[in-house]
Amino acid sequence: DSGVTQTPKHLITATGQRVTLRCSPRSGDLSVYWYQQSLDQGLQFLIQYYNGEERAKGNILERFSAQQFPDLHSELNLSSLELGDSALYFCASSLERTSGRWSTDTQYFGPGTRLTVL
Amino acid sequence: GNSVTQMEGPVTLSEEAFLTINCTYTATGYPSLFWYVQYPGEGLQLLLKATKADDKGSNKGFEATYRKETTSFHLEKGSVQVSDSAVYFCALSGGSYIPTFGRGTSLIVHP
Repeated sequence: DSGVTQTPKHLITATGQRVTLRCSPRSGDLSVYWYQQSLDQGLQFLIQYYNGEERAKGNILERFSAQQFPDLHSELNLSSLELGDSALYFCASSLERTSGRWSTDTQYFGPGTRLTVL
Repeated sequence: GNSVTQMEGPVTLSEEAFLTINCTYTATGYPSLFWYVQYPGEGLQLLLKATKADDKGSNKGFEATYRKETTSFHLEKGSVQVSDSAVYFCALSGGSYIPTFGRGTSLIVHP
């Protein structure tokens, strides 16, 4: 158990809909990362938040957005869903002791949310 | 942009065989390098890491050495077990580098 929790475990929805995925980081971790894992694209970094503020964006679509709340949990919002958005979505957290922009601290991954768009 | 390339799997071995999973990266400068492991139905777990050239990361019998001259971080284990069956991901991060993962290599170990 990594200490990172994600809800829900599974989500089945239809095209055009909007869903929210939730992540609670490990106690004490300030940084939250979101990733998408699909068979054709592999594991793709989407976005990172640090202590409530967006720190960096990766391959995140404009239909997707995220936020990190004062209690440090994070939500990933996916809207106007398409069949191709079906994937595993992982959240990871780290303490993030930085000397530069990115930390070499270990990222702890949650178990993921499997999204199926029908 | 930065990239990580891993050998395609699956890699199928008998128990106690020697394991090598190749990983090369493309990046300027000196990223930190990582190997993560994903067991069925679970998230990724850090296996080992190296933060500078010539560093060797090791954990649970697995080793990898950061080779700047060949931009490689190959994963090795002298004697694999059935319980090592999983998907292994090579990744780079640290400094100014966005986390970048390879496509993953599936390892299947038979008794």
